Amino acid sequence: ETGVTQTPRHLVMGMTNKKSLKCEQHLGHNAMYWYKQSAKKPLELMFVYNFKEQTENNSVPSRFSPECPNSSHLFLHLHTLQPEDSALYLCASSHGSGTFDEQFFGPGTRLTVL
Amino acid sequence: DQQVKQNSPSLSVQEGRISILNCDYTNSMFDYFLWYKKYPAEGPTFLISISSIKDKNEDGRFTVFLNKSAKHLSLHIVPSQPGDSAVYFCAATQAGTALIFGKGTTLSVSS
Repeated sequence: ETGVTQTPRHLVMGMTNKKSLKCEQHLGHNAMYWYKQSAKKPLELMFVYNFKEQTENNSVPSRFSPECPNSSHLFLHLHTLQPEDSALYLCASSHGSGTFDEQFFGPGTRLTVL
Repeated sequence: DQQVKQNSPSLSVQEGRISILNCDYTNSMFDYFLWYKKYPAEGPTFLISISSIKDKNEDGRFTVFLNKSAKHLSLHIVPSQPGDSAVYFCAATQAGTALIFGKGTTLSVSS
């Protein structure tokens, strides 16, 4: 596989469920990102990891919990979500996050919270 | 308050004509601007960028213009092709910090 992959592509969950989104990049990049895209809103940056260390948390509620075990993998653990959390969740990677680097995006996970 | 605005949600253009997508920003400290293109069921892909020290950058059919005094940038696609039909996102960054995206403009190119 090449580029940035995300699984699952679609997820429907209840408010009491716990689920995880997975992102994997095969580009040798050092920085990984989680974005949220809600309907009729801009992409919102959620988390940034640079060399496995979280460098940015954009005031994201604690019901979203990121995990970056290595530079190639990024997870977003979800628990007790709300219906308004339904959105497209995009993962991206880049060479680094300190200076501008082109970000490569995965196809996203379409999340629906019932 | 949105720092990057794409005020036109959609644009329809005939094949072969010019497509002009606009983007306005409010933060004068932004020093790098990018355009991303997104097809349905795919993530955004980088298209073209421009540094704040330039006013134009060209790559094949795509040209981005930056007007710093007006805090405005635009993406020109000439000639437009049906395969250009997608959502186009404008994004900006300041000193390499996180990208700030606009809401996107859906471009439809008819043949």
